[in-house]
Amino acid sequence: QKEVEQDPGPLSVPEGAIVSLNCTYSNSAFQYFMWYRQYSRKGPELLMYTYSSGNKEDGRFTAQVDKSSKYISLFIRDSQPSDSATYLCAMIPSGGSYIPTFGRGTSLIVHP
Amino acid sequence: GAVVSQHPSWVICKSGTSVKIECRSLDFQATTMFWYRQFPKQSLMLMATSNEGSKATYEQGVEKDKFLINHASLTLSTLTVTSAHPEDSSFYICSARDRGTGRTQYFGPGTRLLVL
Repeated sequence: QKEVEQDPGPLSVPEGAIVSLNCTYSNSAFQYFMWYRQYSRKGPELLMYTYSSGNKEDGRFTAQVDKSSKYISLFIRDSQPSDSATYLCAMIPSGGSYIPTFGRGTSLIVHP
Repeated sequence: GAVVSQHPSWVICKSGTSVKIECRSLDFQATTMFWYRQFPKQSLMLMATSNEGSKATYEQGVEKDKFLINHASLTLSTLTVTSAHPEDSSFYICSARDRGTGRTQYFGPGTRLLVL
């Protein structure tokens, strides 16, 4: 079992839909959770960064962490075609070298 | 936000030549930079961790003599692919950890290498 599991998709939704992207993990030491967006042939761009459990909102994006279930989510409201990209989750344990473990990414397609 | 640049963005070279890729943090100091490799529709594969002023730490299975890393300053790390072969063709991405915030990594735009 990989430390971080993420469904590669593709996930196809109509414009305006609410999108839910998820990752599960097995390492209970993970404390820092990030979501990156990667457009085709580009480097990943940091979207959200959260520490421990709880919710964090930034515009149309909401990141949610449930440490008891070892499950994190990224919600995108009012999705737009420009949101079409691959979304990678990443996690870092407390202490140590701060090297993140990445999920394999979920490909999202928002069609007009 | 923090900006990381990479140069070149595209490189095509003949088999057997060496290619150098630069990674720069433009508006912050990065004590640590990371080099990743990414194949199509795959996630990021960490190759090595580059610490300013010290030797890079390579992940298992990555040849340090093949992929030379130099982190000469707090804003610059270089990856040199020596004697490149077609199987080295890939998308190479660097990231830098902001010295101030600690845990957050910011990625460069990537360098696409094609070895003929």
